[in-house]
Amino acid sequence: KAGVTQTPRYLIKTRGQQVTLSCSPISGHRSVSWYQQTPGQGLQFLFEYFSETQRNKGNFPGRFSGRQFSNSRSEMNVSTLELGDSALYLCASSLDGTGPLNTDTQYFGPGTRLTVL
Amino acid sequence: AQSVTQPDIHITVSEGASLELRCNYSYGATPYLFWYVQSPGQGLQLLLKYFSGDTLVQGIKGFEAEFKRSQSSFNLRKPSVHWSDAAEYFCAVGVYGNKLVFGAGTILRVKS
Repeated sequence: KAGVTQTPRYLIKTRGQQVTLSCSPISGHRSVSWYQQTPGQGLQFLFEYFSETQRNKGNFPGRFSGRQFSNSRSEMNVSTLELGDSALYLCASSLDGTGPLNTDTQYFGPGTRLTVL
Repeated sequence: AQSVTQPDIHITVSEGASLELRCNYSYGATPYLFWYVQSPGQGLQLLLKYFSGDTLVQGIKGFEAEFKRSQSSFNLRKPSVHWSDAAEYFCAVGVYGNKLVFGAGTILRVKS
C-alpha cells in the first residue's frame, strides 16, 4: 500500500506570494491533518480534515487555510507569505477520526520543505 | 493547556548501550501518548502508542515505553542501541480528534 505522498517536496517562494501544498493520504484513509515544523517552534498542529470538513484547527492566522476533497486528498494554502512561514509542512492521514480522541495510527508523509525568501 | 516536555535536547550513547528518553506530559484526563521518530529529511514514523491497559507498551525496532500516571511520564527505552537509531525522537499527546501536541524532540547521537 502506498504511503502518504506530499507534493511538491521542495518549494521556494518570495514574501507576499501564496502557495498551495498537496497531500494524498493512504488509500481508504479519511482523516488528514497538517503540521508545521520549524526549528524554533517545533511541530505545531495546523488543522485536521475529515470527510471534507475541517474538524479541528490550530492557532495559526487566517492566511493558513486548507480543504479536503471527496477522494480525501487535501490541500493547504498559505497566502501573503512571510519569512517566518519557512518550514517543513507535514501531512498525516489516518483511517478514521470520528471519536473525541482517535486511536487510529496517524501516518506521516515526508513533508514539503517551503523556503520563503 | 496540554503540553509535553522532553527535558533532553541531545543525548549521546554508545552503540550497544541502553537508552532512555524522557517525556513528561500535562493533560487533564487519561492521555493518549505517542512516540515518533524522525530521520533527517523524513517524515515521522510511529514507534509506539498508549491508550489504556498495560502501562508497558512494546513498539517497533525494539523500543518500549512505560506510562507512569503518578509521574506524568512516558519514557522511551531500548536495551541496546544500534547506529541506525540515530535520529530525532518526539513524544506527543493526543488532545482532540487527531490533533497531537508534540514535545520539542530529543536528538539521539550514537557513537561507535
